[in-house]
Amino acid sequence: TQLLEQSPQFLSIQEGENLTVYCNSSSVFSSLQWYRQEPGEGPVLLVTVVTGGEVKKLKRLTFQFGDARKDSSLHITAAQPGDTGLYLCAGADRGSTLGRLYFGRGTQLTVWP
Amino acid sequence: DTAVSQTPKYLVTQMGNDKSIKCEQNLGHDTMYWYKQDSKKFLKIMFSYNNKELIINETVPNRFSPKSPDKAHLNLHINSLELGDSAVYFCASSQDQGISPLHFGNGTRLTVT
Repeated sequence: TQLLEQSPQFLSIQEGENLTVYCNSSSVFSSLQWYRQEPGEGPVLLVTVVTGGEVKKLKRLTFQFGDARKDSSLHITAAQPGDTGLYLCAGADRGSTLGRLYFGRGTQLTVWP
Repeated sequence: DTAVSQTPKYLVTQMGNDKSIKCEQNLGHDTMYWYKQDSKKFLKIMFSYNNKELIINETVPNRFSPKSPDKAHLNLHINSLELGDSAVYFCASSQDQGISPLHFGNGTRLTVT
């Protein structure tokens, strides 16, 4: 069952542009993690958001967890070619103690110089 | 000083063969996982072990058999390989079996011909 929907699936932009990637679900998650995956490598954690309405910033990246903990967004300001990669959101099942994370299908971001 | 290492990086084999993928983590984590990433980049959990004990076993054909000789190692053996097994297999670890962030290896690209 696909619990997390990410949009857009593909995003191709020029260096310097801003963008937002969305991660939506009808389920409530106890926390949500964002990962970035580059070709030939495994996903690398960017951030974990836990509290509804929480906003976290990582340099030019801003992550927000929805008030109801069903959705999240990632906003990148002034994108750079180094931001290119597959962005994955992963939700932790509410109440789960088994470490079960549900991944979205990802947003493939390409930033052209 | 690679945190999660898996071998081999690439595996090309014929249908019907048996193959193994090895994974080791030096982070001192208690929990290890196998994930499968299909051609559309969807990451799906296969197995999870906590301190050598199997805690998550998703709907995976019993041709796939994980083995954890100790908490730093989690291997995956696949019998009678099929074309549909072609994918990238990722090993990951986390500090505990809750919702701790995942540390992924760089993947093993399995191609069954």
